[in-house]
Amino acid sequence: AQKVTQAQTEISVVEKEDVTLDCVYETRDTTYYLFWYKQPPSGELVFLIRRNSFDEQNEISGRYSWNFQKSTSSFNFTITASQVVDSAVYFCALSEKDNTDKLIFGTGTRLQVFP
Amino acid sequence: GAGVSQSPSNKVTEKGKDVELRCDPISGHTALYWYRQRLGQGLEFLIYFQGNSAPDKSGLPSDRFSAERTGESVSTLTIQRTQQEDSAVYLCASSLGGRVGSPLHFGNGTRLTVT
Repeated sequence: AQKVTQAQTEISVVEKEDVTLDCVYETRDTTYYLFWYKQPPSGELVFLIRRNSFDEQNEISGRYSWNFQKSTSSFNFTITASQVVDSAVYFCALSEKDNTDKLIFGTGTRLQVFP
Repeated sequence: GAGVSQSPSNKVTEKGKDVELRCDPISGHTALYWYRQRLGQGLEFLIYFQGNSAPDKSGLPSDRFSAERTGESVSTLTIQRTQQEDSAVYLCASSLGGRVGSPLHFGNGTRLTVT
């Protein structure tokens, strides 16, 4: 069965520190998609990135980067030089080919960035 | 509209009453999802609609929960005989559907409090 594990419940850092949020997934499919969403204090979920199972290239977008490793079933998210505005709950999610777009979410990691 | 719209934004109801939550997806999005988020927890999948296909109801927690969607438009989630454990934020999302891995776009949710 598919499952997403975010072992870090809460992380606190000081501004400008780098921080990595871990995500480990389980799936029987060879074709699947992984996602990260951000949920700021306002509550709305914001899509950050999608990665398919055939593309293991790491991706960088500004201060955000993602490290996808199929060998360890991990899709970790790093924020470089964190800022107070990065404070939010971050969710990792998985969708499988046979389940089309239905997302299975991890329990989230609450990131607090202090000035 | 520009995004997924949910109403009401807040709902307080007495235990035992029925409630209806509404979701207006992004125009052109064929897929629609309902998720539940209990306080401080992750997102729990409830139900998924894709076009005219039979909905995936595998996440509905009990027969008190039901949802309908007319065509590719508005959806209504109904909870009958509400219980205190139903208190949560109910999130609706839509996506282009038809393509595995389409990002979900979430509404701001309806915060349901059962007293």
